[in-house]
Amino acid sequence: KAGVTQTPRYLIKTRGQQVTLSCSPISGHRSVSWYQQTPGQGLQFLFEYFSETQRNKGNFPGRFSGRQFSNSRSEMNVSTLELGDSALYLCASSYTGGSNQPQHFGDGTRLSIL
Amino acid sequence: GQNIDQPTEMTATEGAIVQINCTYQTSGFNGLFWYQQHAGEAPTFLSYNVLDGLEEKGRFSSFLSRSKGYSYLLLKELQMKDSASYLCAVRDEYSGAGSYQLTFGKGTKLSVIP
Repeated sequence: KAGVTQTPRYLIKTRGQQVTLSCSPISGHRSVSWYQQTPGQGLQFLFEYFSETQRNKGNFPGRFSGRQFSNSRSEMNVSTLELGDSALYLCASSYTGGSNQPQHFGDGTRLSIL
Repeated sequence: GQNIDQPTEMTATEGAIVQINCTYQTSGFNGLFWYQQHAGEAPTFLSYNVLDGLEEKGRFSSFLSRSKGYSYLLLKELQMKDSASYLCAVRDEYSGAGSYQLTFGKGTKLSVIP
């Protein structure tokens, strides 16, 4: 079956703009998590959605937000972009987010802020 | 909170065995995952440990000691294609609403040389 699909793959924005990234999970997966990956900090958890509700949130400012639709697809939005937001944004899905369920990752969206 | 440590880089020879260590300090524990990430690609799931002991899966094995807060990933019969980053990730304590946050170490970049 198809894997996790993220669009777009690459994005270039300027400071102050906003951006929306999209993630389609594996069919049947209802838990979607978002991560930010940078060389210095590694993979950092942004938030998790399940059944259209945010269940968990990492330590990121309110400029980072997301949502999930009834078909489990998810979007994340970053407003008022800063240079430090340049990163690879990864989406991962699992059936229900249970403790023993591995997360399956998409190829990510590489966001560059000029 | 979580603190996960792993070596930044390792080098090993094709055909050899390499052990990548991971130590963690957590306020709770619900399992440890290992992921492989090739440059420019998505992380892919390798193994899951929740009980003490060794889990073997082909050329890859993973060990866990919960009392010591320690895990390792063992790669046997190294191949050039094993050159990648290896990420250790811990599921923290239940945070309510069915959500188990996954916290990643910064990854170990393994280079396999001929």
